[in-house]
Amino acid sequence: KNEVEQSPQNLTAQEGEFITINCSYSVGISALHWLQQHPGGGIVSLFMLSSGKKKHGRLIATINIQEKHSSLHITASHPRDSAVYICAVSYMEYGNKLVFGAGTILRVKS
Amino acid sequence: NAGVTQTPKFRILKIGQSMTLQCTQDMNHNYMYWYRQDPGMGLKLIYYSVGAGITDKGEVPNGYNVSRSTTEDFPLRLELAAPSQTSVYFCASSFKRGMYNEQFFGPGTRLTVL
Repeated sequence: KNEVEQSPQNLTAQEGEFITINCSYSVGISALHWLQQHPGGGIVSLFMLSSGKKKHGRLIATINIQEKHSSLHITASHPRDSAVYICAVSYMEYGNKLVFGAGTILRVKS
Repeated sequence: NAGVTQTPKFRILKIGQSMTLQCTQDMNHNYMYWYRQDPGMGLKLIYYSVGAGITDKGEVPNGYNVSRSTTEDFPLRLELAAPSQTSVYFCASSFKRGMYNEQFFGPGTRLTVL
């Protein structure tokens, strides 16, 4: 079974800081997902990637398939970025269903 | 489109009671999922469905049942509620294309069993 580890578990940053959240997994994957869960509880998909890098606004996601590692970066962080960021992977041996990390709790202070 | 809707938002049950968590999606997705989220843990898959009439167990199915009579609806049934089922439950759906499986989540149901 694929083990998905995220670090750090908790992260507090000052507004404007550059933030990095890491995700590693143990088995080769079809795709890696980054999701965001706001304090109200709703979960939304931010990125889905299988190679390289994707960017959306101030968010950047990268993946290194050889090292089985992905990072989510937030540039010029803002208090509204405060949320739980969840990494999940899908892989063929599991029918491409998602296996989730425990999440990183991010708090951005103004 | 409303996306994925779940009812109720909150519920308190007594041990041994039963209830059904409702989930509906209006995106014509063939895949639907039920997850539970416990503090400090990743979401765990309870049951999933690849289309109307087809369901299968996920990682933590004990104590739950599902049905999928239509493409839109995927209710989750708890027959004999236990304190271990206190959790936040999320329904999700996706239109799977090859290896890509972007999932859309409902707002969640917070269940407490006392």
